[in-house]
Amino acid sequence: DQQVKQNSPSLSVQEGRISILNCDYTNSMFDYFLWYKKYPAEGPTFLISISSIKDKNEDGRFTVFLNKSAKHLSLHIVPSQPGDSAVYFCAASARETSGSRLTFGEGTQLTVNP
Amino acid sequence: DGGITQSPKYLFRKEGQNVTLSCEQNLNHDAMYWYRQDPGQGLRLIYYSQIVNDFQKGDIAEGYSVSREKKESFPLTVTSAQKNPTAFYLCATKLRTANQPQHFGDGTRLSIL
Repeated sequence: DQQVKQNSPSLSVQEGRISILNCDYTNSMFDYFLWYKKYPAEGPTFLISISSIKDKNEDGRFTVFLNKSAKHLSLHIVPSQPGDSAVYFCAASARETSGSRLTFGEGTQLTVNP
Repeated sequence: DGGITQSPKYLFRKEGQNVTLSCEQNLNHDAMYWYRQDPGQGLRLIYYSQIVNDFQKGDIAEGYSVSREKKESFPLTVTSAQKNPTAFYLCATKLRTANQPQHFGDGTRLSIL
């Protein structure tokens, strides 16, 4: 049962344009959502998170939107830069779950072309 | 992330041998986690520990074992019972307060020859 799903394995955008990465979830108990960026052979790096009491959180070029009724979140990167090229994972956790364990999506490979 | 050290970076072992992956942290985080990543897949939770001398199974614990004798250390043993051990293994840590992100080490690539 894939509780967190990223339906696009890859996304390609031009430098300077907006990148939009999407993520859907099925577990209504999830109340904290995160985005991580990962380069090959390295660990994921935390980018931005959002609590279920909010519908938007911004940090510089990165904005995460949460639509609870649709069980959907998205990460917007504006403007996109070649250094943003990486695999992006969304993850979710439920406060009621022991250990604040995260459930990850499969990842989306973002390529930003100069 | 700074403060989480996984060693070695690459590890090769013969089939049938147990192997232990190291994870050390100096972030003073209470919780520690082990994940496995396979090509084209997300991270899957193997084991986690919220406090010293206590740990719980994740989604794919079969064939793995852990210990948490010190707050700073959470070693993972891949036993010969693990049917498909070749993968990228990631350790993470977290503060126990709510709504805090997990922070990851740089991983260990395990290859079984």
